[in-house]
Amino acid sequence: QKEVEQNSGPLSVPEGAIASLNCTYSDRGSQSFFWYRQYSGKSPELIMFIYSNGDKEDGRFTAQLNKASQYVSLLIRDSQPSDSATYLCAVTMDSSYKLIFGSGTRLLVRP
Amino acid sequence: DVKVTQSSRYLVKRTGEKVFLECVQDMDHENMFWYRQDPGLGLRLIYFSYDVKMKEKGDIPEGYSVSREKKERFSLILESASTNQTSMYLCASSFGANYGYTFGSGTRLTVV
Repeated sequence: QKEVEQNSGPLSVPEGAIASLNCTYSDRGSQSFFWYRQYSGKSPELIMFIYSNGDKEDGRFTAQLNKASQYVSLLIRDSQPSDSATYLCAVTMDSSYKLIFGSGTRLLVRP
Repeated sequence: DVKVTQSSRYLVKRTGEKVFLECVQDMDHENMFWYRQDPGLGLRLIYFSYDVKMKEKGDIPEGYSVSREKKERFSLILESASTNQTSMYLCASSFGANYGYTFGSGTRLTVV
């Protein structure tokens, strides 16, 4: 079964620190990788996507992809309490229609 | 901005009722999806559609059906609501998986 694995957390970091969120996936053929942020009671919101090996930066967020090791990570620099949310990793597998989602990592940023 | 609109934010229905959840997107996306999300179980795909009048079962289609008569609208139907269908229901749309999904704001359904 095709899988996307994330540590459920919570990952607790102090305000201003770097939060590192990790995701592994089972399908070597996966092409596209996404990070969604979901606040409690709200719907997921796309914050980053990455297609190629290496790093992709957008403001305080950096997505890192290593296809050989089949992992993708999200770094949040200068973490803020407003970053406290669940972060979902999503990966394309097999089909051009569907994303496979991990179960999410809960991040808590302590003031 | 792409908008995916779900008709109700909160809904309370009685056991045995037929329930319709509506989703409309305004960006001409081919693909639309219905998920449910429960604590500890993550997002679970109920049904998806890649074209008008086309539908495919997801991982947990039992007790649900869908309708897609127009490209912009994808409806989820609970044929006879049961308490175990109490959940957050999320609609999403996409040009294709490589572009990611846009989610609606969700409908929190309670079946009593």
